[in-house]
Amino acid sequence: SAVISQKPSRDICQRGTSLTIQCQVDSQVTMMFWYRQQPGQSLTLIATANQGSEATYESGFVIDKFPISRPNLTFSTLTVSNMSPEDSSIYLCSVGGWQGSNHEQFFGPGTRLTVL
Amino acid sequence: SQQGEEDPQALSIQEGENATMNCSYKTSINNLQWYRQNSGRGLVHLILIRSNEREKHSGRLRVTLDTSKKSSSLLITASRAADTASYFCATTMDSSYKLIFGSGTRLLVRP
Repeated sequence: SAVISQKPSRDICQRGTSLTIQCQVDSQVTMMFWYRQQPGQSLTLIATANQGSEATYESGFVIDKFPISRPNLTFSTLTVSNMSPEDSSIYLCSVGGWQGSNHEQFFGPGTRLTVL
Repeated sequence: SQQGEEDPQALSIQEGENATMNCSYKTSINNLQWYRQNSGRGLVHLILIRSNEREKHSGRLRVTLDTSKKSSSLLITASRAADTASYFCATTMDSSYKLIFGSGTRLLVRP
């Protein structure tokens, strides 16, 4: 399996600022994703983090608002830009395609973001 | 947008009883995965069932898949208070890893 860590675990931010969330995996993985979970809701895919190229965004999410980096096979960042209270959510990274995996997808512990 | 719905939305049972949660989805799938989430934390992967499988077991968990009805169920036997959590199903289509989540079931196991 893959062990995933996220930083920070939680943050409280002011409107108009930006926050960068880091996701680190303990082994090389093919796939990395970023999800958002709004309060009381299920998870929605934001984008696929592609190693060495631009992320692939889902409908309703744009690069200017959620820039993503993935410099290698074990690390990715998601930035939430120009935040508003509506961005208050849990942000989770997930990974798939590690050696020995079978299409399972594992999640990090999440980053709980509150925007005032 | 969500792939499917889960029912019930909330379930309250006594410790020792069995809990059954159902998941329905809309399109053909490659596989279906069940996750547990404790109190707004990260998701714990429970079990993956492929589209050509009908049933899988893992400890006290039993998952069934009926592709003709586009539905799956998760059975937790002999529930414990520690099973209290939200449970989500998530599907992938064709060979993509992208997960589409159901709406989730909140399970409360009363001691």
